[in-house]
Amino acid sequence: DAKTTQPPSMDCAEGRAANLPCNHSTISGNEYVYWYRQIHSQGPQYIIHGLKNNETNEMASLIITEDRKSSTLILPHATLRDTAVYYCIVRNAGGTSYGKLTFGQGTILTVHP
Amino acid sequence: SAVISQKPSRDICQRGTSLTIQCQVDSQVTMMFWYRQQPGQSLTLIATANQGSEATYESGFVIDKFPISRPNLTFSTLTVSNMSPEDSSIYLCSGLSMNTEAFFGQGTRLTVV
Repeated sequence: DAKTTQPPSMDCAEGRAANLPCNHSTISGNEYVYWYRQIHSQGPQYIIHGLKNNETNEMASLIITEDRKSSTLILPHATLRDTAVYYCIVRNAGGTSYGKLTFGQGTILTVHP
Repeated sequence: SAVISQKPSRDICQRGTSLTIQCQVDSQVTMMFWYRQQPGQSLTLIATANQGSEATYESGFVIDKFPISRPNLTFSTLTVSNMSPEDSSIYLCSGLSMNTEAFFGQGTRLTVV
């Protein structure tokens, strides 16, 4: 699976959009971009994933650049409960890597009042 | 969405002893995984729990230290054997099915003294 690079930490004001970047310059054509988050003392929680098109769900939006070498997770209206470690993960949808997640160090997002 | 329950949620154990962690999913899943999260670190995959056969271990993890069982599609156990203080970590179970992305339990916080 391709390696990802994320800033170690970010801050965001409550009610503002949080934009979390991720670089994955070695991503291959059949690898998806996944985002998970881990709130303190909990297991990781799935947020969103995409291949090449932008995606949106009830939690967030995922913007993937045209060359797929980077992406941005957008939390449109951050709340204090969004304070967590956010993990960007690139993985193959099938084959021997199916279901396996390789976690990097992630970005610690702190939402403040 | 599916829910994973892990038992125990936390434990303090003496070095040299073993602890078995249980993972119960409320619906059948195709795949189950075990991860370790050492203090202040990200998650590392230990193994894939295979139903009715031996688990598939990642590099650096061996069956003698981390025996795993998966007797059916909803249940798995991980044993941490002959524990030392270096085994103090959070151990997390993950499940995956055709209809879901990978989801996690709340983890078992293990302290070895």
